[in-house]
Amino acid sequence: AQSVTQLDSQVPVFEEAPVELRCNYSSSVSVYLFWYVQYPNQGLQLLLKYLSGSTLVESINGFEAEFNKSQTSFHLRKPSVHISDTAEYFCAVSGSGSNYKLTFGKGTLLTVNP
Amino acid sequence: EAGVAQSPRYKIIEKRQSVAFWCNPISGHATLYWYQQILGQGPKLLIQFQNNGVVDDSQLPKDRFSAERLKGVDSTLKIQPAKLEDSAVYLCASSLGGGGARPQHFGDGTRLSIL
Repeated sequence: AQSVTQLDSQVPVFEEAPVELRCNYSSSVSVYLFWYVQYPNQGLQLLLKYLSGSTLVESINGFEAEFNKSQTSFHLRKPSVHISDTAEYFCAVSGSGSNYKLTFGKGTLLTVNP
Repeated sequence: EAGVAQSPRYKIIEKRQSVAFWCNPISGHATLYWYQQILGQGPKLLIQFQNNGVVDDSQLPKDRFSAERLKGVDSTLKIQPAKLEDSAVYLCASSLGGGGARPQHFGDGTRLSIL
């Protein structure tokens, strides 16, 4: 069975500061990793994904995440956050074959303060 | 492209009443999912359809929840009778296929409150 642990339930930061949202996963097979963002009263939007190849993946709005197989981690980073980045962020894992189900972490609420 | 459409956005009912949610996936997406998201938690898969067939309903409380996907497009999720612990956001998602590498696209959800 797969599982995801998001180590911080809440992360408050000031605008223009760097941020890291931590995600660790557990799986016995090859994994696909995702970060989704959820703004208030909205559904989840795909932020970025790791399927294969380069371990560093980037989104169009400045976020990046690095797949680290030895540490079973997929931390999300941004060098300088904006007020508009305030949202809930979910890390999720799936796999190939019979492990196709998407399993979510409990989420990290990122609050960017002026 | 149009996203996943869900209705209603909000619903308030009393316990033991029934309720239904509707979802229209992205055109061409063969796989449709219903998730339950309880406050403070990540989404939990209730049921997955591939076209109009059920792939996985292992976490669907079948004594009170039912779902169908007519003609492999729209889907409805029903709760009858509702319990207090069913208060949650119900999210519908769709993807091109059911494999683990396929990103899922989510609707805005239906927020259900049980009184």
